[in-house]
Amino acid sequence: RKEVEQDPGPFNVPEGATVAFNCTYSNSASQSFFWYRQDCRKEPKLLMSVYSSGNEDGRFTAQLNRASQYISLLIRDSKLSDSATYLCVPDNAGNMLTFGGGTRLMVKP
Amino acid sequence: DTEVTQTPKHLVMGMTNKKSLKCEQHMGHRAMYWYKQKAKKPPELMFVYSYEKLSINESVPSRFSPECPNSSLLNLHLHALQPEDSALYLCASSQEGAGVGSPLHFGNGTRLTVT
Repeated sequence: RKEVEQDPGPFNVPEGATVAFNCTYSNSASQSFFWYRQDCRKEPKLLMSVYSSGNEDGRFTAQLNRASQYISLLIRDSKLSDSATYLCVPDNAGNMLTFGGGTRLMVKP
Repeated sequence: DTEVTQTPKHLVMGMTNKKSLKCEQHMGHRAMYWYKQKAKKPPELMFVYSYEKLSINESVPSRFSPECPNSSLLNLHLHALQPEDSALYLCASSQEGAGVGSPLHFGNGTRLTVT
C-alpha cells in the first residue's frame, strides 16, 4: 500500500455542486493532516490543517477518519476558481514529507 | 504573496554549468526543505534542514548539493545536471523542526531547464 493515496480524477463538476475527495494514509501514527491546493505551474498553497477529527473553513470541510485511515475534503457550492489540484499530506509519524499524488478538480460553468 | 522567496524564477543551464538556487524566509521557521516537482506529479522531497542541520537527504544524486548558511537561508547548488533534472524546484519552510507536524509554506519555485 502506498503511503498516501488519492484518486487522481479529474473530478468534473458544475458550478454550485458539492464535491468530496478522499486521501488514504498508511501510517497510523500520523497526527496532523494538511490539504494543499496547487494551480497549474504554481506552488502548493495551504488550504486546511486538521489536528483532530475535522476542520471547517467556509465552503471547505475536512474530516478525519482515524479508524479507516483516511481524510476527506468536501467543497460546497463549487466555484470556477476552485479548479485546481488538491494535495493531501499526512504528518507521517512526525515527518510531514510525503504528498499524495493529488486529485484534479475541474469546475465547469 | 508568499513569505518564502526563491530566486531565480526561471533558470536555463547547460549540462556543464554550475548554478545555485536560493531561498529565503523571515518567518522564524526552523525547518527548511527542497522539493522537486515534475509535471503532473506531486512534489518529491529532496532535502530537509532542521535547526540548520541536514536531517534528511532522500538519496539525491551528488550533483545536487544543499547548503543552509543560517536559519533564514537555504541554497541548492547544481553541477553537471542532466536534462531529466528539468523540473520545478520548490523551497518550503515550517515553523517547527521537521518532525513536529507544522504546515509547510512554499516559495514560488524555480523552473529549471537543463539543455
